[in-house]
Amino acid sequence: NAGVMQNPRHLVRRRGQEARLRCSPMKGHSHVYWYRQLPEEGLKFMVYLQKENIIDESGMPKERFSAEFPKEGPSILRIQQVVRGDSAAYFCASSLGGTGISPYEQYFGPGTRLTVT
Amino acid sequence: AQSVAQPEDQVNVAEGNPLTVKCTYSVSGNPYLFWYVQYPNRGLQFLLKYITGDNLVKGSYGFEAEFNKSQTSFHLKKPSALVSDSALYFCAVRDPNGSGNTGKLIFGQGTTLQVKP
Repeated sequence: NAGVMQNPRHLVRRRGQEARLRCSPMKGHSHVYWYRQLPEEGLKFMVYLQKENIIDESGMPKERFSAEFPKEGPSILRIQQVVRGDSAAYFCASSLGGTGISPYEQYFGPGTRLTVT
Repeated sequence: AQSVAQPEDQVNVAEGNPLTVKCTYSVSGNPYLFWYVQYPNRGLQFLLKYITGDNLVKGSYGFEAEFNKSQTSFHLKKPSALVSDSALYFCAVRDPNGSGNTGKLIFGQGTTLQVKP
C-alpha cells in the first residue's frame, strides 16, 4: 500500500511565477491536509479538504494561495505570483477521517521543497 | 486557543541511556495527542497517539509517551536511546470537541534529539 505521494519533491520558481504542488493520498483516504514548514519552524496548518470540498482554509494566506481536491486525481496546492517568503517545505497529509471525534492519525508525504529565486 | 509547547530546542543523550522529550499542551477539552518524527529532508512519520484510556501509550521503534492530564503534558520517552533515534521530534494536538473542529493538527516547534555513541 503506497504511502502519501507528493510531487515534485523539489521545485524552483522565479519571483512572479506560479507553483503547483500535487498530493496523492494513501489508498482509501479521502481527507487531505496541507501544512507549511518554514525554515527553523514547526508545521503550520494551511487547508483541509475532502473530495470536491474545502472544509477548512483558515490557515491559507488570503491572496495568491488556493487548493483543490477534485473527484478524480490528486489534490493541488497552487501558489500564484510566488515571492521569496513562499520558500518552504509544503507537506500533504491524508487520513481515513477528519472532523469531530474520529481519532485517525494523519500520514504525511515526503514534502515539496519550494525555492523562490 | 489550542497550542503546543516543546520547551527544549535540543536534547542530548548518550546511546543506551533513557531519553525524554517534553511536550505540554493547551486545549479547551480532552485532547487527542500525537508524536511524529522527522528525519532530514523527509516527511513526518507517525510514532504514537493518545486518544483515551491508559495514560501510557506505546508506539513505534520502542517509544512510549505518558499522558498527564493534571500537568497537561505528553512527554515522549524511550528506555534506551539509539544513535539512529537522532532526528527532529514533533508533538501535536487536536481538540476533537472544539468548536469548528476540522481535524487539523497544531504542532509544537519541534525538538532535535541527538544521541551520541
